[in-house]
Order: sequence, then C-alpha cells, then structure tokens
Amino acid sequence: AQSVAQPEDQVNVAEGNPLTVKCTYSVSGNPYLFWYVQYPNRGLQFLLKYITGDNLVKGSYGFEAEFNKSQTSFHLKKPSALVSDSALYFCAVRDNSGNTPLVFGKGTRLSVIA
Amino acid sequence: EAGVTQFPSHSVIEKGQTVTLRCDPISGHDNLYWYRRVMGKEIKFLLHFVKESKQDESGMPNNRFLAERTGGTYSTLKVQPAELEDSGVYFCASSSRGRLFFGSGTQLSVL
Repeated sequence: AQSVAQPEDQVNVAEGNPLTVKCTYSVSGNPYLFWYVQYPNRGLQFLLKYITGDNLVKGSYGFEAEFNKSQTSFHLKKPSALVSDSALYFCAVRDNSGNTPLVFGKGTRLSVIA
Repeated sequence: EAGVTQFPSHSVIEKGQTVTLRCDPISGHDNLYWYRRVMGKEIKFLLHFVKESKQDESGMPNNRFLAERTGGTYSTLKVQPAELEDSGVYFCASSSRGRLFFGSGTQLSVL
C-alpha cells in the first residue's frame, strides 16, 4: 500500500531564511511524487512533481524538491522564505501504474515570520 | 479558463440530516475525484469517476455516502444520514492528462 509521512505538523522559519518541509513515502514500484499548497480559503494548488529524470525538481514560487530514492524522501525546499509562503503544504505519491489514486500526507503548516 | 468549483463552501447540519455536495469540474476533464480531509489528518481518497462511470470507489467510508456523476459533467456527493465523524473538508479534483486541479473544498460540520 502507498503511504506518505510528513513528520512535522508545523514548521516555523524567519523570513529570508531557507526552509525545508519534510516528506517520506512508501510505494510499490517507481513513485510519482507531488507537492501541493493550500492557502486559506483556497483549493490545493500544484507546486511541483517528480516523475523521472533529474532528482532535483524546480516548481512554482521558487520552490524545489529533491527526490532521494535510498531514503525514500522528497523534501520541499526554498532558499529564502517569504511571509507569503505561509500556508499548508501537502506531499503526495502514487505509483507509476496509472491505476491508483494519489495518496496524501497529513500536511505541514508553514509559518514564515517577518 | 474556469477552475474546479464546489458548492457550498460551508455546510453546518445536525446529525441525522442529509447533505449534498456538488462539484463542477473543469470543462472537458473526464476524470473527477473526491477526497476528504478530517481536521489534522491526511487527505483521503474517496472515489474516482471516469466520465459517468465509477472507476474506483474503494475509499468510500460506508453506504451512507453516495456519489453520482450523471452525464459525465458535474458530480454530487450525498451523505445520508450524516454522522459526527463525517465532519471535514471535502475536496473535488479533476484531470485530463494526469495533473489534478482541485476545488477550494466544502467544509462540512455535523453537530
């Protein structure tokens, strides 16, 4: 069975500092990995995905994530946090069969403090 | 292009009542998904439509939940009768070529 773990409920970071939001996954076969963000009163917005190729994936709003197969991780990163990055972040995974639904983690709330 | 639209944005009902949630996917998207997030927990898959057919309903909690997608356009999710544990945010998403587009969700509170 597929699963995603986001070990931190909350991440606090000062504006301008680098941020990391952690995600580890479990899936049979090769994973398709995603990050979504939810701002207040908005739907989930796609940030980035890893399907194949370069382990470092760049996405929207300056975010990037690194796929690490040996550690089964897909941590979300940004070199310099903005207050406007404060939101709820979800990691998700599915296998590459195309027949299974996307499985989400429980989310990590990021607070960027000015 | 209009995004995925969900109605209502909030619903507060009493235990035992019926509630119907609606999702309008992006026009032309054959795939439609329902997900639910109970507060503080992961977003859980409920079911998947391809056009009007249920492709996968393995995530539906029990037979109090009924989803339909007549004509392969909008979808409804009915909860009857609602229980306290049904409270949460219900998300709808649609896709045409893999990438999911989500609605803003319906916050359901069962008192």
